[in-house]
Parts: sequence; structure tokens; C-alpha cells
Amino acid sequence: QTVVTQEPSFSVSPGGTVTLTCGLSSGSVSTRYYPSWYQQTPGQAPRTLIYSTNTRFSGVPDRFSGSILGNKAALTITGARADDESDYYCVLYMGSGLWVFGGGTKLTVL
Amino acid sequence: EVQLVESGGGLVQPGGSLRLSCAASGISVSTNYMSWVRQAPGKGLEWVSVIYDDGTAYYADSVKGRFTISRDTSKNTLHLQMSSLRADDTAVYSCARPHSAAYHYAFDIWGQGTMVTVSS
Repeated sequence: QTVVTQEPSFSVSPGGTVTLTCGLSSGSVSTRYYPSWYQQTPGQAPRTLIYSTNTRFSGVPDRFSGSILGNKAALTITGARADDESDYYCVLYMGSGLWVFGGGTKLTVL
Repeated sequence: EVQLVESGGGLVQPGGSLRLSCAASGISVSTNYMSWVRQAPGKGLEWVSVIYDDGTAYYADSVKGRFTISRDTSKNTLHLQMSSLRADDTAVYSCARPHSAAYHYAFDIWGQGTMVTVSS
């Protein structure tokens, strides 16, 4: 059973920088899992932010960036704004037709 | 405009069955990978199933043997047949496209979802 881990919650001050991570319960996240990141506000469909580790989706501002930090995928938000307050999900493509979502991180901007 | 619109959700008793539909416009369900993702109330996203362009289907362990993904190319519609439903299947079910080529398996198009409630 593959478990993808994310911080349950995080807070950041307006204008600040925050890095959310996406790990594996056993093993390391690497680019071969094509990590992608999504932002979701209540009642809305997810919005695609980052794909293939570090490529911004169309229309996503460069305040959002993806990377591998150590053994985890990471989403960094710089210049945090009030409307960044959302749930953030990573998903890994494990191969052989299997995707696994992380549990999500609830980001508070205050 | 590219759009995915789900339907078919509702209230069903434990052990019952339900078929969800996802009508696609602007993309072809037969030439794309198409997936179902669900979200239980107050919980995170969970990948459920995918059907490849060649018709190969895969399922999360939690639904394997109970759910069947399919597509109707004449109506450009994706389906999810759910049987032996349990209370923990209660969720909003959304269809989404994982784009294998351009976006390296990331989900780039999402529907708004349809609510399934399993309760007696």
C-alpha cells in the first residue's frame, strides 16, 4: 500500500514564503513519479498548478514553483496572498495505471 | 470549450449499485486517458480508476472488483459502474483527464463532480 504524505496544515504570513512537501511512506519521491500539484478551494474543482515536478501549468503565476527537496517533492509559494489560502494536493504517478494522491495540506494565510 | 459534466449521483443503500456518467465536450473520451477521482466529505482527493485510450482499465485497491470504468464513444461519455457500495464510498465523484503526453500524467481537466451518498 503506497501512502503519499503531506503536512496536514501550514500557515504563512501575507507576503511570506512557504514550502509544502510530498513524500512517500517508504522510499523517496523522484522525478520518475512525475509529481504534480493542485490547489482546491471549498466546493470547487481542483486547479492544476505544477506538473512533472517543476513545470507550471498554463496561467499559473511564477510565485508557485515545484522541485525535489531531499527525498520529497516540494511546492513553494512566494509572496503569499490571501487568496492562496486553500487546500493543496500532490499526486504521484506510480506507473502501471496507478495514481496516488497525498492527503492534502490546508494552507492558512494570516 | 473543453468541459466535463458528471451526472448520476444520488442516495443509494449499502450493497446497492449506481452508474455515474461524465459527458465530455471539446475532447474525445476515446483518444484520451480518462479517470475518476473522488473526495469524501471533509476529506482529501482519492484516485479511483483510469481507462486508457486503448481501453485498458486500472483501479484503486479500494474499489477493485466492485467498480467498472467504461466509455461510450458514440456519446463521448465516460461511465463508472459502482456495485456493492459501502458507506465509505460516500463522496463527490469527479472525472478528470490525466494527460500522459503533454503534462506527464498530470490531471489537466476536471469536472465539478456528482455526489454519491451510501446510507440506509
